[in-house]
Amino acid sequence: QKEVEQNSGPLSVPEGAIASLNCTYSDRGSQSFFWYRQYSGKSPELIMFIYSNGDKEDGRFTAQLNKASQYVSLLIRDSQPSDSATYLCAVSRRTGGGNKLTFGTGTQLKVEL
Amino acid sequence: DGGITQSPKYLFRKEGQNVTLSCEQNLNHDAMYWYRQDPGQGLRLIYYSQIVNDFQKGDIAEGYSVSREKKESFPLTVTSAQKNPTAFYLCASSIGTRYSGELFFGEGSRLTVL
Repeated sequence: QKEVEQNSGPLSVPEGAIASLNCTYSDRGSQSFFWYRQYSGKSPELIMFIYSNGDKEDGRFTAQLNKASQYVSLLIRDSQPSDSATYLCAVSRRTGGGNKLTFGTGTQLKVEL
Repeated sequence: DGGITQSPKYLFRKEGQNVTLSCEQNLNHDAMYWYRQDPGQGLRLIYYSQIVNDFQKGDIAEGYSVSREKKESFPLTVTSAQKNPTAFYLCASSIGTRYSGELFFGEGSRLTVL
């Protein structure tokens, strides 16, 4: 079982719809959760992080965390073509050497006109 | 503007050659990281550094070396011992390793072995 799993997609949504991106993780000791956006050929950019169970909203983005079920999701409301990118989920857990961050392989999102 | 500068953006290497990728940051961050990204795989940590003159191996350090002589600089050398070096290399920084998930990335260096 991978430490962090994401559906590779592509996930296609029409412009204006809600895009829902999901991520599951295997280590129950994971503490911090991050979403990065990566445009094709570019480097990742942090867009959201969440540390506590529940929802966290920032503009059109909402991160949702359910530690009991070990999943974290990212909702994008009013999806725009400029949201078309790969979204990377990253999970941090404490280890003896400090915090270890593990990335998923990413979900490709396509927002269609 | 604060940020991370990586160079070169594109690099071609012949087998058996060592190459060095540059990474400079002016964010005044203590921690710096090198990641490797391959198609269909998540980012994998090569090396990281929490402070000057200190660095730690990540998950895939074999065939790579780093130095951290200045807070702003964290160059990565891809040695001839790295068997499959063709990849997209990303340098990142964070305020400290306690915030290792809140990463700022450079634009990346794409290395191709001929």
